[in-house]
Order: sequence, then C-alpha cells, then structure tokens
Amino acid sequence: EAQVTQNPRYLITVTGKKLTVTCSQNMNHEYMSWYRQDPGLGLRQIYYSMNVEVTDKGDVPEGYKVSRKEKRNFPLILESPSPNQTSLYFCASAGLPTNEQFFGPGTRLTVL
Amino acid sequence: DAKTTQPNSMESNEEEPVHLPCNHSTISGTDYIHWYRQLPSQGPEYVIHGLTSNVNNRMASLAIAEDRKSSTLILHRATLRDAAVYYCIPIKNYGGATNKLIFGTGTLLAVQP
Repeated sequence: EAQVTQNPRYLITVTGKKLTVTCSQNMNHEYMSWYRQDPGLGLRQIYYSMNVEVTDKGDVPEGYKVSRKEKRNFPLILESPSPNQTSLYFCASAGLPTNEQFFGPGTRLTVL
Repeated sequence: DAKTTQPNSMESNEEEPVHLPCNHSTISGTDYIHWYRQLPSQGPEYVIHGLTSNVNNRMASLAIAEDRKSSTLILHRATLRDAAVYYCIPIKNYGGATNKLIFGTGTLLAVQP
C-alpha cells in the first residue's frame, strides 16, 4: 500500500532534549516536506526537499533541521525543543509530474 | 501567493449534493487550483485540481469560473465520511514540479444523517 509513515505518532518531551521525528514514503517520490499545524494558524511549511541531498527552508524553519540522505526518508530534527514547538506535525511527499501530495498521519508533539 | 476566501462552515444532508465555493480573485494565469480535505484526526488528503476546464474524478468535480477568479468543489452525494475541512489552494506548476501548499482556514463541512 502506498503510504507516508511517521514515527512516533505521539511524543511528550521536555525542553532541550533532542528528538527526531521520522518520515518515510514507499512511493519513490522526489519531493518531501514537513508542515506544522496549530490552532488558528493552519498548516505551515517548515522544510522541504526536492530530491536527495537537496533541502530548503519553508515558512517556519527556525528551531528545526532536516536531512535527505535517502530518497524514502526525510527526518525532522529538533536539536533543542522548546514549548512553542508543541504542535501537530505532518510529513508529505509527491512524485513528479503529479501535483498530488500524500500526507502522513501526523505526529502530536508536546514540549514541557 | 494568491489569496483565497472560503466560507468558514457549511452543512449538508447525507446523500445530497454539496457545492463548496472558493474565491481566488488574485490568482495568476499559471496557478492551478487544488483542493485538499482534512478528515478529523488525519492528515490532509488530495481531492482534485484543475487549471481552466472543469474536472471530474472519483471523489468530486471541480467547476472553475471562466475568469478563474472562483471555483466550486462539488460532492455529488455527500456521505458521513465527507465531513472534513476543505481547503482551496492555488499552486504554481513549474512544468510538473510541486510546490508548497499554503493552507488557509478552509471550510468545515458538516454532514447530517
């Protein structure tokens, strides 16, 4: 089944403790992206990647890192999480030339 | 980026058609109009997209105004599973390359049995 998977689905952590949210897709898609969703602010793009070793900032990249060493994986790294990064995170992927983006199920992160 | 205006909420009865409007008066000539929806506790899901002509797929139809300043997503027979937030998103299409999706507040569709 074609899908985007994220792990973990839920995470509660404390300020400053490094964490990684993994994202993997099995559709051989070139494009991958991370969004965060907050009440009243909607979904906003954090980072995106057009292909392996090619990443770029989205609208809200501060406090996040990403890497794209393999085509299927696009982990989101929070080196020193802070409470304002408490949010619902979605990973998405898309192949070319289609415009359809596939989203993962989301990761709900709470930073205390 | 083109701005969009959608009703905050709409209500429909099960098995009736639903017309979800979107105003995108600042859209550029190369922007495609995409629709996504987000069911409760799930990630967004692609519904349909088009440029100028009306489009149909297994999920919905998309009617685009001749001046492209507005569009309407049509669900022909609403089901309870169609209750979701629907987003209208203009997106540039550079020869097939994807671009970021700018989600507005969308329309919350409630479907009554």
